[in-house]
Amino acid sequence: QKEVEQNSGPLSVPEGAIASLNCTYSDRVSQSFFWYRQYSGKSPELIMSIYSNGDKEDGRFTAQLNKASQYVSLLIRDSQPSDSATYLCAVNLDNNDMRFGAGTRLTVKP
Amino acid sequence: DGGITQSPKYLFRKEGQNVTLSCEQNLNHDAMYWYRQDPGQGLRLIYYSQIVNDFQKGDIAEGYSVSREKKESFPLTVTSAQKNPTAFYLCASSIYSGRGNEQFFGPGTRLTVL
Repeated sequence: QKEVEQNSGPLSVPEGAIASLNCTYSDRVSQSFFWYRQYSGKSPELIMSIYSNGDKEDGRFTAQLNKASQYVSLLIRDSQPSDSATYLCAVNLDNNDMRFGAGTRLTVKP
Repeated sequence: DGGITQSPKYLFRKEGQNVTLSCEQNLNHDAMYWYRQDPGQGLRLIYYSQIVNDFQKGDIAEGYSVSREKKESFPLTVTSAQKNPTAFYLCASSIYSGRGNEQFFGPGTRLTVL
């Protein structure tokens, strides 16, 4: 079983819609969770960190964490074409062991 | 400006050659990492270092070597023993925030074996 799993997509949403990206992880002791955005040909950029169960909002982005279900998600409200990218879910197993999912490719159509 | 720099941006290697990828950071981060990314796959950890003069192997260290002589620098050498080195190489650094290990990435080096 992969440690961090994401739907590879592509996920296509119209401009202005809500994009919902999902991630599951296998290690129950994980405490730190991250979402990175990666544009084609570029390096990953950290956009959200979440450590506690519940929701964390930052602008148009909301991260949701459910440790009991081993599930973390990212919602992007009012999606824009500039949000089109691959989104990587990352889980910290311990201080220096970060596991990445393969990413979900999101396309926002004008 | 604080940040992480990697050079070169593109690198071409002939089979049998060793090449060294540079990574420098001026964020005063203690930990540094090297990842490899292949198309359609997640990032895989090659090596990481928590302090100067110390480093640990990641999941795919075979065919790679590193050094950490200065806090700011963590170069990666891709040796001829690495059988499939064509990939996108990413360097990252982090500071432990007390709650988690937020890693920040450099712009990457794309290595192609000719």
